Amino acid sequence: QITLKESGPTLVKPTQTLTLTCTFSGFSLSTSGVGVGWIRQPPGKALEWLAVIYWNDYKNYSPSLKSRLTITKDTSKNQVVLSMTNMDPVDTATYYCAHRLTISEWSANWFDVWGQGTLVTVSS
Amino acid sequence: EIVLTQSPATLSLSPGERGTLSCRASQSVSSYLAWYQQKPGQAPRLLIYDAFNRATGIPARFSGSGSGTDFTLTISSLEPEDFAVYYCQQRSNWPLTFGQGTKVEIK
Repeated sequence: QITLKESGPTLVKPTQTLTLTCTFSGFSLSTSGVGVGWIRQPPGKALEWLAVIYWNDYKNYSPSLKSRLTITKDTSKNQVVLSMTNMDPVDTATYYCAHRLTISEWSANWFDVWGQGTLVTVSS
Repeated sequence: EIVLTQSPATLSLSPGERGTLSCRASQSVSSYLAWYQQKPGQAPRLLIYDAFNRATGIPARFSGSGSGTDFTLTISSLEPEDFAVYYCQQRSNWPLTFGQGTKVEIK
């Protein structure tokens, strides 16, 4: 059974750096095709994809946030970390990590298992 | 960036009725479109991927169709647990993008 759980601060001040950790189980990020993505959702608004990291350490970022984002993985700890610099109140959102869909040897950038999400508020 | 436009914004239906949700892409995404369901306070759940494939455990009353720029999610007979917000997502081009959502509410 695949599970993911986000952890990190619930409140950050403007200009600070947010660091979120996704701890997962039920799969390995060293297996070919596997990936973990981050998606956020401001209160009452739509989903926004942020970044994805793959088993081979390849990464993709949202172009609008690329300069502020860093995604890394620690395969031995079954964790993925997302950092976002220069936080602003508009970054207030629930942040989700999610498992990239894999079926046998096929995989694609759909997200089939999600963490519960963590609400991050940016306020002074 | 590919923009996904969902319509209608809100769909008011009664249990047992058929629901038809639309997602239109600003350029062709081939068949690389998915649908998610999200209930209040919960994470999204993958329903349909690559336009028409049901994800594991998704009931047969959910079906997807379309290709290119126009896609449809159909719920053949709404169950009480189907009232939620539905999002489409494309993976054809970077960045991955989501639509703004359609809320299916009880009439």
